Amino acid sequence: QKEVEQNSGPLSVPEGAIASLNCTYSDRVSQSFFWYRQYSGKSPELIMSIYSNGDKEDGRFTAQLNKASQYVSLLIRDSQPSDSATYLCAVNSNTGNQFYFGTGTSLTVIP
Amino acid sequence: EPEVTQTPSHQVTQMGQEVILRCVPISNHLYFYWYRQILGQKVEFLVSFYNNEISEKSEIFDDQFSVERPDGSNFTLKIRSTKLEDSAMYFCASSPLRSASTDTQYFGPGTRLTVL
Repeated sequence: QKEVEQNSGPLSVPEGAIASLNCTYSDRVSQSFFWYRQYSGKSPELIMSIYSNGDKEDGRFTAQLNKASQYVSLLIRDSQPSDSATYLCAVNSNTGNQFYFGTGTSLTVIP
Repeated sequence: EPEVTQTPSHQVTQMGQEVILRCVPISNHLYFYWYRQILGQKVEFLVSFYNNEISEKSEIFDDQFSVERPDGSNFTLKIRSTKLEDSAMYFCASSPLRSASTDTQYFGPGTRLTVL
């Protein structure tokens, strides 16, 4: 079973601060990495995808990938109360068509 | 904006009964998926489907489960002889491009299945 590990949290940050979410994965051949946001009782919503080592920025979100360390992270700058949710890390299988999710990190942004 | 839809939103069934969960993927999408999420646990991949056949399935997707695209719009998950441990939220997802590994998956709102 391929594993995707995340700190379950909860992680609390004040409004305007940077939230840092981390994820490690066990399958060295994974090529695609995803961050989803899931509000309570709702379905996952894709925030970022990253495929190459380094950083990828999209608005207030930055994903960082280090394949050698099998580590992917998500930074949320200028955190807003609306960012309060569970953040799911997902990676794909070596065949590309199966996806493994972590248990998620619960983030609370305090106004 | 097009959305993935799922029906019903909540399904209650007796243990041992068969259930069919229905999904309408976004119309021009090519890849379809089913996931489940047991309350308080992680999202688990069940199956991916492309070109009218299963592309990949997980260990969870045993003979109890089957998928079908009976027409040009619906994508169904059938669970035969449901068990208590099948109680979960079931999500359908679809993606538009052939390269599933690098593509955005759009999730439906889910069907909550309760097995009594």
